[in-house]
Amino acid sequence: DQQVKQNSPSLSVQEGRISILNCDYTNSMFDYFLWYKKYPAEGPTFLISISSIKDKNEDGRFTVFLNKSAKHLSLHIVPSQPGDSAVYFCAAKGRQGNLIFGKGTKLSVKP
Amino acid sequence: DAGVIQSPRHEVTEMGQEVTLRCKPISGHDYLFWYRQTMMRGLELLIYFNNNVPIDDSGMPEDRFSAKMPNASFSTLKIQPSEPRDSAVYFCASSLDLFNEKLFFGSGTQLSVL
Repeated sequence: DQQVKQNSPSLSVQEGRISILNCDYTNSMFDYFLWYKKYPAEGPTFLISISSIKDKNEDGRFTVFLNKSAKHLSLHIVPSQPGDSAVYFCAAKGRQGNLIFGKGTKLSVKP
Repeated sequence: DAGVIQSPRHEVTEMGQEVTLRCKPISGHDYLFWYRQTMMRGLELLIYFNNNVPIDDSGMPEDRFSAKMPNASFSTLKIQPSEPRDSAVYFCASSLDLFNEKLFFGSGTQLSVL
């Protein structure tokens, strides 16, 4: 059973608008969450993270929000750019410290 | 540093054949991970090593899968015999610590088993 769920396989957004990527998790013991970005024919790369003691972390155009009661986090990209088109993976730090990834959401930003 | 290097980039083989995927981690990284990416399951952790020692192989799907790390600069993932359902992208990653945001991935090996 998936412990980290990304229920939207794809998302299409107009350039300049906001992109919102969602992620749900089932294990309330998870205490650290990350987003990775993956371009075609490349490996995933770290984008942004958040600790469970926070509800928001911002880095430039990227903001991650965490709602612990709902076991939900989201990644906001504002404004979206064509170069943001990629697959975005949500991940949680597992009990042993290894990362547990979701299935990914493919973001397409249209010019 | 050249980053994590995987070979081959693409592998096409027939069912029943042995497949060997290779990985060179970033020098100085103590942890090496093998992941598999599929549409159905996303990125799954297959196995990881610490200082060349396998720590957790609970993600290895079947006995047909095996992984070795004979030294700090080289690891292999072998599938014998291969099956069509093994078709996926296999990633190797390395990091300084077990939990580290800076988990560096290779470019992956696209495996197709016909």
